[in-house]
Amino acid sequence: NAGVMQNPRHLVRRRGQEARLRCSPMKGHSHVYWYRQLPEEGLKFMVYLQKENIIDESGMPKERFSAEFPKEGPSILRIQQVVRGDSAAYFCASSQTGTEGNTIYFGEGSWLTVV
Amino acid sequence: KNQVEQSPQSLIILEGKNCTLQCNYTVSPFSNLRWYKQDTGRGPVSLTIMTFSENTKSNGRYTATLDADTKQSSLHITASQLSDSASYICVVSADSGGSNYKLTFGKGTLLTVNP
Repeated sequence: NAGVMQNPRHLVRRRGQEARLRCSPMKGHSHVYWYRQLPEEGLKFMVYLQKENIIDESGMPKERFSAEFPKEGPSILRIQQVVRGDSAAYFCASSQTGTEGNTIYFGEGSWLTVV
Repeated sequence: KNQVEQSPQSLIILEGKNCTLQCNYTVSPFSNLRWYKQDTGRGPVSLTIMTFSENTKSNGRYTATLDADTKQSSLHITASQLSDSASYICVVSADSGGSNYKLTFGKGTLLTVNP
C-alpha cells in the first residue's frame, strides 16, 4: 500500500543549476498538488495538476518554476537556475478526487538545499 | 487575506498528560478544517477533517473541535505518548467552487512529550 512517493528526499544544488523533483501519487489518485515549506513557515500551495493538465498554478513563481504530470510517469516539479531562496521542503500530495473534504495525502517531501 | 494562527508555538508536556492546541482562522468562505501531524523531516499526516456542520471529531486519542461562529478550533490529545512529539498543523480550506486544494496552513504547534 504505497503512499505518495517523492524523490529525491534530499537534493543539494549550486546556484544556477536545475533541480528536478519527482512525485508518484497514491495508486488510483489522479489529482496531484505541490506545496512548498520555507523554514519556520507553513506550507504554501504552488500548483494543482491532473493527468496531462495544469489546473491551477497560481501559487507557483512565474519565472524558473514549471510542473507537469504526464500521462505516463510521475509528476515533475522543475526549478531552473536555482537561487538560495529556493531552499525549502517541497511536498507533493495527491487525492482521489478534487472535491471538497476529500483527504489529501502527503509525501515525505524533497528537501532542496541551494549552496 | 486568509490566515490561520496557531497557539502555542511550542509546548512541552510529560508523558501521560493531556494537552490542547488552539487554532484561529480568518479563511472565508469556510469549507472545512483539518488537523495534520508532521514528524520532523516527514510529510504531514491527516488526523481529522471537519466541515461547517461538525463541531467535534475524534481519531483515537485525538479529538478536534470546531466553533465556526468564533472561527476557532482545538485539538485535544489525551494520555500523551512519546510518539506524539511532532508539529501539529491546522489547515483550513476555503470554499472555492468545490475544489479541494486551496488550503491555508498554520505554522504549527511543536509538541514535545518528555518521559
